[in-house]
Amino acid sequence: ILNVEQSPQSLHVQEGDSTNFTCSFPSSNFYALHWYRWETAKSPEALFVMTLNGDEKKKGRISATLNTKEGYSYLYIKGSQPEDSATYLCAFMGPDSSYKLIFGSGTRLLVRP
Amino acid sequence: KAGVTQTPRYLIKTRGQQVTLSCSPISGHRSVSWYQQTPGQGLQFLFEYFSETQRNKGNFPGRFSGRQFSNSRSEMNVSTLELGDSALYLCASSLNLMDARLNTGELFFGEGSRLTVL
Repeated sequence: ILNVEQSPQSLHVQEGDSTNFTCSFPSSNFYALHWYRWETAKSPEALFVMTLNGDEKKKGRISATLNTKEGYSYLYIKGSQPEDSATYLCAFMGPDSSYKLIFGSGTRLLVRP
Repeated sequence: KAGVTQTPRYLIKTRGQQVTLSCSPISGHRSVSWYQQTPGQGLQFLFEYFSETQRNKGNFPGRFSGRQFSNSRSEMNVSTLELGDSALYLCASSLNLMDARLNTGELFFGEGSRLTVL
C-alpha cells in the first residue's frame, strides 16, 4: 500500500513568519509529485507539479524542492500572510499506480495577523 | 475559460437510495478523476477516465461506478447508499494526467458535491 505522509498536521504562525512543510512518499517508481493549496469553501488549486530529482519551483513567496531518491519534498512559504491560511496537500504519482494521485492528509496552516 | 462544474452541489439522501453526480470538465480536458473526502481523511481516489475509458479504479466497493461521455463529461453513481458514504465528492480534470513531463499534468478541481446520507 502506497503511503504519502505530510507533517506537521497543522501549524499556527504569525504574519511575517517563514514556514515549511514536509511531504514523504515512496522513493521507488516515482513519476511526479504535486502540491495543492485548498482554502476553506474553495476548490483545491495546483501550486506545483514536480518530476525531476533536485527540482526547485517557485511561485511568488512559495517554493518547493524535491528529492526523489530519499522520497521527500519540502514546501516553503516566506513571510507568511493571512491569505496563505489554507490546507496544503501533496500528492504522489507512480507509474505502477498510473492515472491516479495518492494524496497526503495535508498540513493545515493558520497565519495570525 | 469556464472551470470544472459539478452538480448538484449539495444533496441529502437516505440509506438504500442511489445517487448520480455530474462533472463537466474544462473545455479540451479529456481526463476526469473523482475523489472522495470524508471527515478526518485525505482525498481518496475513486476512478479516472480518459476518452470514455476507465484507466484506473480505487479501492471502493462495486456500489461506486462511473462513466465518461464522448464530450468528456463524467458521472459517478453510488447505489444502495450507506451512512458512511456521506462525504464531499470532488471531480478534477486535466489535459492528460500522465503528461506530467510534457505539460503540467496538474488537476483542476470542481467545488465538489456534498452528499449527506441519513
